[in-house]
Amino acid sequence: NAGVMQNPRHLVRRRGQEARLRCSPMKGHSHVYWYRQLPEEGLKFMVYLQKENIIDESGMPKERFSAEFPKEGPSILRIQQVVRGDSAAYFCASSLQGHGYTFGSGTRLTVV
Amino acid sequence: GENVEQHPSTLSVQEGDSAVIKCTYSDSASNYFPWYKQELGKGPQLIIDIRSNVGEKKDQRIAVTLNKTAKHFSLHITETQPEDSAVYFCAARADTGSARQLTFGSGTQLTVLP
Repeated sequence: NAGVMQNPRHLVRRRGQEARLRCSPMKGHSHVYWYRQLPEEGLKFMVYLQKENIIDESGMPKERFSAEFPKEGPSILRIQQVVRGDSAAYFCASSLQGHGYTFGSGTRLTVV
Repeated sequence: GENVEQHPSTLSVQEGDSAVIKCTYSDSASNYFPWYKQELGKGPQLIIDIRSNVGEKKDQRIAVTLNKTAKHFSLHITETQPEDSAVYFCAARADTGSARQLTFGSGTQLTVLP
């Protein structure tokens, strides 16, 4: 039973390019969460999704960031026109309702 | 919304000693409190959790206590070992309504000295 799978592990983008981060939840988990972690800081909530629905996006920046969790396939966090301040580790977690999270290993985005 | 504060930010202990990390939360509706361990370059891993209907929970060398009245909870690690060295995060969540996200503390870098 594979855990939460995130890819790529490392992503380098030039300023202005798009970044796409993928997350496949644990088998049977229908809740997906995205968090951002800046160096030596805590985990900041971005968005919570269930299949085909965004439940809470209160932590997402209003512009350039979007997320989806389609009926088939992984959840995608998309960052358009990346800037240096977007450089961070992005973690995805999944859960069953009312249970704790299982985190993936993260995607480390570097914007050059 | 929920606010979780965590102390200390760094903690060094000698191997074999105990380590205690403390967190406070602001939302009295919070009823689920997990603790995560994050090793360098890896994702956070759940190590223990507690719900608000109990005051203490133990799992081998790890224990968590919860004081709902004071809105604080603590992680206790006994007989520490070098492999316990990592960043530890507390978190809180209210399992009501549609919101299910965890709010995390800022983390504690634990170093166990051999």
